[in-house]
Amino acid sequence: GAVVSQHPSWVICKSGTSVKIECRSLDFQATTMFWYRQFPKQSLMLMATSNEGSKATYEQGVEKDKFLINHASLTLSTLTVTSAHPEDSSFYICSAGRQRNTEAFFGQGTRLTVV
Amino acid sequence: KNQVEQSPQSLIILEGKNCTLQCNYTVSPFSNLRWYKQDTGRGPVSLTIMTFSENTKSNGRYTATLDADTKQSSLHITASQLSDSASYICVVSLTAFSGGYNKLIFGAGTRLAVHP
Repeated sequence: GAVVSQHPSWVICKSGTSVKIECRSLDFQATTMFWYRQFPKQSLMLMATSNEGSKATYEQGVEKDKFLINHASLTLSTLTVTSAHPEDSSFYICSAGRQRNTEAFFGQGTRLTVV
Repeated sequence: KNQVEQSPQSLIILEGKNCTLQCNYTVSPFSNLRWYKQDTGRGPVSLTIMTFSENTKSNGRYTATLDADTKQSSLHITASQLSDSASYICVVSLTAFSGGYNKLIFGAGTRLAVHP
């Protein structure tokens, strides 16, 4: 299967700082990637759809100015949590697929802890 | 409302035993149904993916079934191993009409613990 890599695996940051998370498709090109957030013992919640070369599409209730998404190339999307607060602490996961209606491959996830 | 419900919420079994996890969905228009395994602190890994016309699919000790009429799916794990301890997530994909990507509807997952 395809490989989607996320970095870092975990990060601890101080409240008020910004954190960038990278999502790479290692062996295929992804015009679209997806960013999810997962709280403990809950399922994945879609935050936004990242489109290469254009603006991301955010789900209702997700602040686009707080969660900045950049999809600069066909293999890389980044999620920046700006001015992070403790309530932003969560598990962030990206996914990508080769084609629209096929398998979605997930990254390993990034555990963000804001202190 | 598009929903995916899984049961049980959690399950404990002894190593070597079999178990079956359930998934009921009310999703339309249906594209496919997927089962993922998610280890703690990791991203989900695909086990099976089934379209409307498929009613069973196996991946090693994992066998998924799909009844599109009753909108039910199950994941059967045979001869469980300690490494099977994880969350199992049922995900239903909606057909996108506009040519965009299918939307995924996630179940809450079943947390399986396999004890020696």
